[in-house]
Amino acid sequence: ELKVEQNPLFLSMQEGKNYTIYCNYSTTSDRLYWYRQDPGKSLESLFVLLSNGAVKQEGRLMASLDTKARLSTLHITAAVHDLSATYFCAVNTDKLIFGTGTRLQVFP
Amino acid sequence: DAGITQSPRHKVTETGTPVTLRCHQTENHRYMYWYRQDPGHGLRLIHYSYGVKDTDKGEVSDGYSVSRSKTEDFLLTLESATSSQTSVYFCAISGGLAGGQETQYFGPGTRLLVL
Repeated sequence: ELKVEQNPLFLSMQEGKNYTIYCNYSTTSDRLYWYRQDPGKSLESLFVLLSNGAVKQEGRLMASLDTKARLSTLHITAAVHDLSATYFCAVNTDKLIFGTGTRLQVFP
Repeated sequence: DAGITQSPRHKVTETGTPVTLRCHQTENHRYMYWYRQDPGHGLRLIHYSYGVKDTDKGEVSDGYSVSRSKTEDFLLTLESATSSQTSVYFCAISGGLAGGQETQYFGPGTRLLVL
């Protein structure tokens, strides 16, 4: 059974700082997704990582995938308040399995 | 999520009553999914559809049934609602690769409270 684990589950960080969210998964997959969810809202697709070594960047967020280590990271550079949200990784085998999410809070 | 709507957006119901949630898409996507979101569990797949009248179970399908009579509509029915089915329900769609292995796009969600 595929398991997807994220850490940390909660992250409070100061504006301007850098941090990384980790996503580990238990079985082979070469397709990993990152989503963002604002409170009370739907999920928004951020990145699709399709192969080992894939790196995608959008603004202050950069995602990478290491299929051999079964690890994806979401790196936040110089955080701003607008990045406050919950971030989910999801791994696709024949179905999409989500991690439990990382709630990010950025304060001044 | 402009091409995906869910109805109702909020519902309060009593234990033992049947409830039907509707997902409607205007994207003509082949795959449609129902998830529930609960604190500490992320999103969990209830049922999905890979075409009209073609559906399959997800990881938490007990107590739920689905139907898809048209490409654009995917219905989720709680046969006899229980308090454990209080949750936020999301519909999602994806395009056409085998196994639905494209990005899934999510609807706005339905908040269901079972008293």
